[in-house]
Amino acid sequence: SAVISQKPSRDICQRGTSLTIQCQVDSQVTMMFWYRQQPGQSLTLIATANQGSEATYESGFVIDKFPISRPNLTFSTLTVSNMSPEDSSIYLCSARDNINQPQHFGDGTRLSIL
Amino acid sequence: DQQVKQNSPSLSVQEGRISILNCDYTNSMFDYFLWYKKYPAEGPTFLISISSIKDKNEDGRFTVFLNKSAKHLSLHIVPSQPGDSAVYFCAASAYSGAGSYQLTFGKGTKLSVIP
Repeated sequence: SAVISQKPSRDICQRGTSLTIQCQVDSQVTMMFWYRQQPGQSLTLIATANQGSEATYESGFVIDKFPISRPNLTFSTLTVSNMSPEDSSIYLCSARDNINQPQHFGDGTRLSIL
Repeated sequence: DQQVKQNSPSLSVQEGRISILNCDYTNSMFDYFLWYKKYPAEGPTFLISISSIKDKNEDGRFTVFLNKSAKHLSLHIVPSQPGDSAVYFCAASAYSGAGSYQLTFGKGTKLSVIP
């Protein structure tokens, strides 16, 4: 199964700033995803990162707030823009080789906004 | 509207006994179900899955049962070990268009296995 590395693993940021989270997969994968897990909640899909084209965002998430890049089949970034305390969450990168395989996850980025 | 529900936030079991984690879903379009295990400060790790064409799948100490008519699935761990102590997430998948299957997660059940 694919090994997914995320960085940073955690950060404390000031209100109004932006942070870019990087996700590296050790093999080429068809699909990459970004999730958010707020305290005590389930994992919520933010968007599907599409290689070479704009990401597909879920309801409630917009590109201006969460711009995503995916320049190739092994790498993606998620930026959390103009952060507020409500953005304090764990952000998780996920990948899947094909629809017949389960998704695998990185260890997440724990983000706290002051 | 929560489509995947894990109604027990926590569960404590004695070592060696059976752990049963439950999950209910509402969307009849779900056709693939997964269980993930999550340790603190780590990402979710895939544990076991089941397709909607089956009612049981077994992998070592872990067995998942699916009752489609009741829209219910359960994960059985036998025998339970202290290393099984973690948060368990139930997830369900449905086709979301353009060749993509989207996962919907429950809120998780924290399992504590007592030595």
